[in-house]
Amino acid sequence: NAGVTQTPKFRILKIGQSMTLQCTQDMNHNYMYWYRQDPGMGLKLIYYSVGAGITDKGEVPNGYNVSRSTTEDFPLRLELAAPSQTSVYFCASKGGYSNQPQHFGDGTRLSIL
Amino acid sequence: AQTVTQSQPEMSVQEAETVTLSCTYDTSESDYYLFWYKQPPSRQMILVIRQEAYKQQNATENRFSVNFQKAAKSFSLKISDSQLGDAAMYFCAYRSSSQGGSEKLVFGKGTKLTVNP
Repeated sequence: NAGVTQTPKFRILKIGQSMTLQCTQDMNHNYMYWYRQDPGMGLKLIYYSVGAGITDKGEVPNGYNVSRSTTEDFPLRLELAAPSQTSVYFCASKGGYSNQPQHFGDGTRLSIL
Repeated sequence: AQTVTQSQPEMSVQEAETVTLSCTYDTSESDYYLFWYKQPPSRQMILVIRQEAYKQQNATENRFSVNFQKAAKSFSLKISDSQLGDAAMYFCAYRSSSQGGSEKLVFGKGTKLTVNP
């Protein structure tokens, strides 16, 4: 059981480049999330999805886009990367019952230079 | 909007001793969940313990226990018999239990725990 898998683990981008962070889960969870963690800070929600075809903005969505075409996958796209997007990105998923916790991937460390 | 505050940026404890990490939160809701997550240097986010607000009994998981004071909106984590492997960042998190919501987590800024041998 792989849980939540994120790729890549590390990436360096140049300013203005674009890329997609991949996230897939094999637990058939409806809820999926993207968080970012800046140095010395807690995680902040970028986007979330409550099911295939449904996405919504979180606290810090500017500069990002998401899609949810399948239950398993929830990619995060960065368009025109900026230094302010240097961060560690976490994907998480959660089952449908309210008392279930979120399960996190191992994170992607992204540096934009 | 809900907020979570961890007032201790760093804490240290001697191996085998007990340490308590503080967390307070602000909400107008009566039903919610609270969590403690551990983030070791490997960067993984590991669930340590969770508390459902409607339960008066404090949650325990082996050496980890919480002191949940609903009226005071306080949710502290006690680690007993501290081990070197407990060294990590610890995050307190809040989640609403409202039906049909995003069920997103709101995190504090974290407490860095050092365990001294």
